[in-house]
Amino acid sequence: EIVLTQSPGTLSLSPGERATLSCRASQSVSSSYLAWYQQKPGQAPRLLIYGASSRATGIPDRFSGSGSGTDFTLTISRLEPEDFAVYYCQQPRTFGQGTKVEIK
Amino acid sequence: EVQLVESGGGLVQPGRSLRLSCAASGFTFDDYAMHWVRQAPGKGLEWVSGISWNSGSIGYADSVKGRFTISRDNAKNSLYLQMNSLRAEDTALYHCAKDITRGSLSYFSYAFDIWGQGTMVTVSS
Repeated sequence: EIVLTQSPGTLSLSPGERATLSCRASQSVSSSYLAWYQQKPGQAPRLLIYGASSRATGIPDRFSGSGSGTDFTLTISRLEPEDFAVYYCQQPRTFGQGTKVEIK
Repeated sequence: EVQLVESGGGLVQPGRSLRLSCAASGFTFDDYAMHWVRQAPGKGLEWVSGISWNSGSIGYADSVKGRFTISRDNAKNSLYLQMNSLRAEDTALYHCAKDITRGSLSYFSYAFDIWGQGTMVTVSS
């Protein structure tokens, strides 16, 4: 079973700053199968990125995904107040443990 | 409006059974694979099980294999999860989720684009 490891566990940033979240797979993953989700307290997860770099419907262009093989990145170019949340990467059957983006 | 609504959760004793349901609306249910994903209190997401649109491809996480059974009734736009031999570690909020890809013959998913709010399952004596 492929293991996804996200880093850092917590990212403390201010609104307007750039956030870079990492997702590393224990073995090579098809980029087609790498997705990113955002989850806020008390809410269901929301799909942000699929296919490693394609934004889901309605997702602002400040969110971008990149990577291939075993290393993938979610970048939020300029953090808005509503972006402070937990982010998960996913490939079929497995989620990473999550990165919390908190207000500094 | 595209919507998934789960039901059937509750408090159950270890070793007992529970059946979850997920009612879908606002999209052509029988075009898409569907999944169950759970989240233990204060923890991350765990994929539980997935089923292709025609029930021809089904998968389970190792943690539930042999105890849980996923099924669907396309005529009723409904997804189910039969949970047997429940354990304390099955305590979680159970979400159903829609596959992003239309017509896939595999439960393997590129991503889940629609999620329900979840139904809580608590396993405790």
